[in-house]
Amino acid sequence: NAGVMQNPRHLVRRRGQEARLRCSPMKGHSHVYWYRQLPEEGLKFMVYLQKENIIDESGMPKERFSAEFPKEGPSILRIQQVVRGDSAAYFCASSRGTSGGRQETQYFGPGTRLLVL
Amino acid sequence: DQQVKQNSPSLSVQEGRISILNCDYTNSMFDYFLWYKKYPAEGPTFLISISSIKDKNEDGRFTVFLNKSAKHLSLHIVPSQPGDSAVYFCAAIRRGNNQFYFGTGTSLTVIP
Repeated sequence: NAGVMQNPRHLVRRRGQEARLRCSPMKGHSHVYWYRQLPEEGLKFMVYLQKENIIDESGMPKERFSAEFPKEGPSILRIQQVVRGDSAAYFCASSRGTSGGRQETQYFGPGTRLLVL
Repeated sequence: DQQVKQNSPSLSVQEGRISILNCDYTNSMFDYFLWYKKYPAEGPTFLISISSIKDKNEDGRFTVFLNKSAKHLSLHIVPSQPGDSAVYFCAAIRRGNNQFYFGTGTSLTVIP
């Protein structure tokens, strides 16, 4: 019973390049969340997706960042024209969704550590 | 704005003693709270949760206490073990809202 999988685990990019982070949710989970953790900070919500739908992207920067969760395949967090400030750990979590109007427990992947040179 | 706060960035405890990790929140609409544990280079792992209709939830060595009037929750680990050394995050959610709000974490070190 595989957990949430993320790849790559480490990613190095130069300023101006694109970064693509992948997340495969746990089996049976159709809801995916992306979080960013900057050094010395907690986890900050970025975006919540279901298959083929963005449900809530209120935590995502308006420019350069995008996310998708296609019908087939993993969820992708894409950062265009990366800058040094994008260096962080990016965590993906998945859940079964909501129950009784409340979000179900989220289970996290190991994270992708992005370093922008 | 940080709606969930963990004011102690670190805590050291002797093996066998009790570890108490604290968390405060500002939004009275939060009605469900969770604790996650994170080892270096790994993702957070769900540990224990509590609904706002309860004031205590226990699971083995881990107990979470909720004081709604003070908007405060705490995680007690007893007895503490060296393998408990990790960063602990508290999180809060509320009905009808998609986000988990996380604190900044407390790094626990259990000294053998």
